[in-house]
Amino acid sequence: DPKIIQKPKYLVAVTGSEKILICEQYLGHNAMYWYRQSAKKPLEFMFSYSYQKLMDNQTASSRFQPQSSKKNHLDLQITALKPDDSATYFCASSQEGQGNERLFFGHGTKLSVL
Amino acid sequence: QQQVRQSPQSLTVWEGETAILNCSYENSAFDYFPWYQQFPGEGPALLIAIRSVSDKKEDGRFTIFFNKREKKLSLHITDSQPGDSATYFCAAKKGNTGKLIFGLGTTLQVQP
Repeated sequence: DPKIIQKPKYLVAVTGSEKILICEQYLGHNAMYWYRQSAKKPLEFMFSYSYQKLMDNQTASSRFQPQSSKKNHLDLQITALKPDDSATYFCASSQEGQGNERLFFGHGTKLSVL
Repeated sequence: QQQVRQSPQSLTVWEGETAILNCSYENSAFDYFPWYQQFPGEGPALLIAIRSVSDKKEDGRFTIFFNKREKKLSLHITDSQPGDSATYFCAAKKGNTGKLIFGLGTTLQVQP
């Protein structure tokens, strides 16, 4: 059973549109993250949330907005989509504060912007 | 400017051989170095990790060798199996944060 559920697995969007990537984790973790994996680039940290509060934001563009409606949810809203946004977006989680630094990743949402 | 570098980009070994994957980093403040394994269509999964206070970490067929002075580390996979064929990412971070800095990865192919 996947412990981190990302929906959808694949997503095709047109330039200028808006999409929401869904992430739910069932590991009981208090911290959640978004990472992006683009072609020819390293897996890149985007956001971190702890207890539903934004802790770190490394995404320059305000077009990317994380949304945490519940403790185990961290969705990612992307507006005014551009072809450069095409990537696989990974949600991850961890249990902070207990010396456990292990990040668990979901299977990703592969976004293609046409 | 890449903070974590990996080599080679791809590696092919025969079943039973030892695969050696290399990693180097820039920031001397990094103190935790996990290696993640990723299969196509899946997310990265933690394989093994080392802290900067250690120079070696072993887990079964997987061993990390760490050289703090040279800011280098390597992952050795002994008795490689076809099921080990995957992309391996070296990552690094400092302090109590979930922000990992990843390398570009090494794609390992183990031929039967």
